[in-house]
Amino acid sequence: DGGITQSPKYLFRKEGQNVTLSCEQNLNHDAMYWYRQDPGQGLRLIYYSQIVNDFQKGDIAEGYSVSREKKESFPLTVTSAQKNPTAFYLCASSIDRYGKTDTQYFGPGTRLTVL
Amino acid sequence: DQQVKQNSPSLSVQEGRISILNCDYTNSMFDYFLWYKKYPAEGPTFLISISSIKDKNEDGRFTVFLNKSAKHLSLHIVPSQPGDSAVYFCAAIRSSNTGKLIFGQGTTLQVKP
Repeated sequence: DGGITQSPKYLFRKEGQNVTLSCEQNLNHDAMYWYRQDPGQGLRLIYYSQIVNDFQKGDIAEGYSVSREKKESFPLTVTSAQKNPTAFYLCASSIDRYGKTDTQYFGPGTRLTVL
Repeated sequence: DQQVKQNSPSLSVQEGRISILNCDYTNSMFDYFLWYKKYPAEGPTFLISISSIKDKNEDGRFTVFLNKSAKHLSLHIVPSQPGDSAVYFCAAIRSSNTGKLIFGQGTTLQVKP
C-alpha cells in the first residue's frame, strides 16, 4: 500500500514560532517536492530534491528550509521569517529525478494556520 | 509572469454532458503537460498527461488535446458525472528544467445532477 503521507493534517502555530511539516513516501521515488497553495491560486514550488542530501530552491523558498537525509523523507520547516505562512502545503514525489515526463504524485496536504 | 493560465475560474455543466476545461501557456519550451484533479483539503490527483509530440491522449472519459501552434490545451470529460466536481489544474514542464512543474490557477468544475 504505497503512497505519500503528510502529517499533521491541520497545524496551528503562534506567530514567531518555527514549525516542521512532515512528508514521507514509500514509493521509492527519487525526487520530492514541496508546494504551497493559496486561495484562488495554483500551486507554487517552495523546494525540491532530486536525490538524498541535495535540494534546490523553488520559486518561493524565502522563509522555508528543508532537509533530505533519507530517500523517503523530506520535511519542510516554516520559519518565523516567512511573512505569510498560513496556507495549504502539499508534498509530492516523482520517480524520474531528471524531470523528463515527470508525473508528480501528491500527498493529502497540511493546512497551516498562524494565529 | 503567469506561464500557465486557466482563464476560467469556474465551469458548470449538466450531468451527462461534456465538460471542456481550457489551459493556455506562453513558454514554447514546455514539452510535457499534465492535468490534476483536486478536492478541497486534499492533495491533487494525477488525471492524464500528454507529451508535446502528440496532439491527443485519451483515457476513459478523459481526453486531453494539445494545440502547440496556439499554445493551448484542453481537457474533455465525457460524459460528466457529479463525482467529477472538483478543481482541475493544468501543469506544464520543460524536460531540461528538472522537476519544475508550472501550474495554472485552477478551474472549479461543478457537475449538476
